[in-house]
Amino acid sequence: DAGVTQSPTHLIKTRGQQVTLRCSPKSGHDTVSWYQQALGQGPQFIFQYYEEEERQRGNFPDRFSGHQFPNYSSELNVNALLLGDSALYLCASSLGHPRGGYTFGSGTRLTVV
Amino acid sequence: DQQVKQNSPSLSVQEGRISILNCDYTNSMFDYFLWYKKYPAEGPTFLISISSIKDKNEDGRFTVLNKSAKHLSLHIVPSQPGDSAVYFCAASACPEYGNKLVFGAGTILRVKS
Repeated sequence: DAGVTQSPTHLIKTRGQQVTLRCSPKSGHDTVSWYQQALGQGPQFIFQYYEEEERQRGNFPDRFSGHQFPNYSSELNVNALLLGDSALYLCASSLGHPRGGYTFGSGTRLTVV
Repeated sequence: DQQVKQNSPSLSVQEGRISILNCDYTNSMFDYFLWYKKYPAEGPTFLISISSIKDKNEDGRFTVLNKSAKHLSLHIVPSQPGDSAVYFCAASACPEYGNKLVFGAGTILRVKS
C-alpha cells in the first residue's frame, strides 16, 4: 500500500522563477495538506484541500497557490520564488478531518539560488 | 510568534534509559496534541496523541503526559538506538483553527548504545 508520494524529491530553481510540486495522497485519503519546513524549524501549515477546494490557509502570501484534482492528488505552486522559499515541502493526506492522524510524504527539497 | 515550543534542540540518552522530551504551548485554544518522529529523508510519522482533557496516554514504550499547565512531555522507556530521530510536538484547535497542525521546532534525540 503506497503511502503519500511526492515529486520531485529535489529541485533547484532560480530566484523569480515559478515551481510546481506534486502530491499523490495515500490510497483512500481525500484531504491533502501542504507544509513548509525551513531548516532547523518545524513544519508550517500552508493550506489544505478537500473536495477540490482550499478549505483552510495558513499565513503564506498569495504567491503560494494550490490545486486538488478529482483523483485527490494535489499541486503546490509558488510564483516569483525568493531565496527564503528554500525549504522542505511536505504533503500530508488524511481521510476527512481527523484530529491528527495525517500521513506525511517524504517531501520535496526546494533550493532557490 | 511561536505557539508551540520545544526548548531543547537536542537530547542524548543511553540505550535502555528513559528519554523525556518536553513541549510547551502558549495558545489556550489548543485542545489536541500530537507527537511525530522524523528520520532524515523521510516524512514525519505519527507516534502518539492526547486530548487536552486527558492527563496521560500510553502506547507501548511511548507515554505522553499532560499534567502541567500548557506543558506536555513524551516519555520513551526504554530508549533504543532506533529511536534516534527528530521529535516534533504539534497542536491543533478545532474548530477555531480547523484541523491544521502547529508544530514546534523539534528535538533531536540521540540514543547511544
